[in-house]
Amino acid sequence: QKEVEQDPGPLSVPEGAIVSLNCTYSNSAFQYFMWYRQYSRKGPELLMYTYSSGNKEDGRFTAQVDKSSKYISLFIRDSQPSDSATYLCAIRPPGGFKTIFGAGTRLFVKA
Amino acid sequence: EPEVTQTPSHQVTQMGQEVILRCVPISNHLYFYWYRQILGQKVEFLVSFYNNEISEKSEIFDDQFSVERPDGSNFTLKIRSTKLEDSAMYFCACTTSGLNNEQFFGPGTRLTVL
Repeated sequence: QKEVEQDPGPLSVPEGAIVSLNCTYSNSAFQYFMWYRQYSRKGPELLMYTYSSGNKEDGRFTAQVDKSSKYISLFIRDSQPSDSATYLCAIRPPGGFKTIFGAGTRLFVKA
Repeated sequence: EPEVTQTPSHQVTQMGQEVILRCVPISNHLYFYWYRQILGQKVEFLVSFYNNEISEKSEIFDDQFSVERPDGSNFTLKIRSTKLEDSAMYFCACTTSGLNNEQFFGPGTRLTVL
């Protein structure tokens, strides 16, 4: 079983829509969960991270972790064409240095 | 805003040749990482480096790979004898501490092995 699974999409939405991006993970010991945004041929850029369960909000972005179902989500409100990118969920195993990435979901926001 | 820089942006090499990819991390960051992303695939961890030692490495990081911090600013990834399957984007990243989850990534070096 893969440590982090993410639907690669693509996901296409109209401008202004609410976007929901999701990942599942396999190990209940994971506690640090992150969302990165990656534009084409660029490095990943950290959007948000959460520790353990719960929600975290930053502007139009909300990250949510449900540890009981091993499910992490990123919601984007009032999506903009500039949000078009690949969104990568990621986890940091406890006691480790590496970040494990999901496959990334390509998002297209149409004007 | 401080940023991670990587050179070259694109490297083309022949199979069997050695390549060195260079990174200049953010100046007060102490933990350094290399990741790679084969076209169309996920970003994969290669190695983490702290205090002039490898702190963790993946199974991808075999004897063909090495890392070095040759001076106070550069962090390098060397591939001794490149293979076709080494063609990928290579990203350098850094953090202020090992527990800090905000890894800052560079723009990447695209390595093409012919």
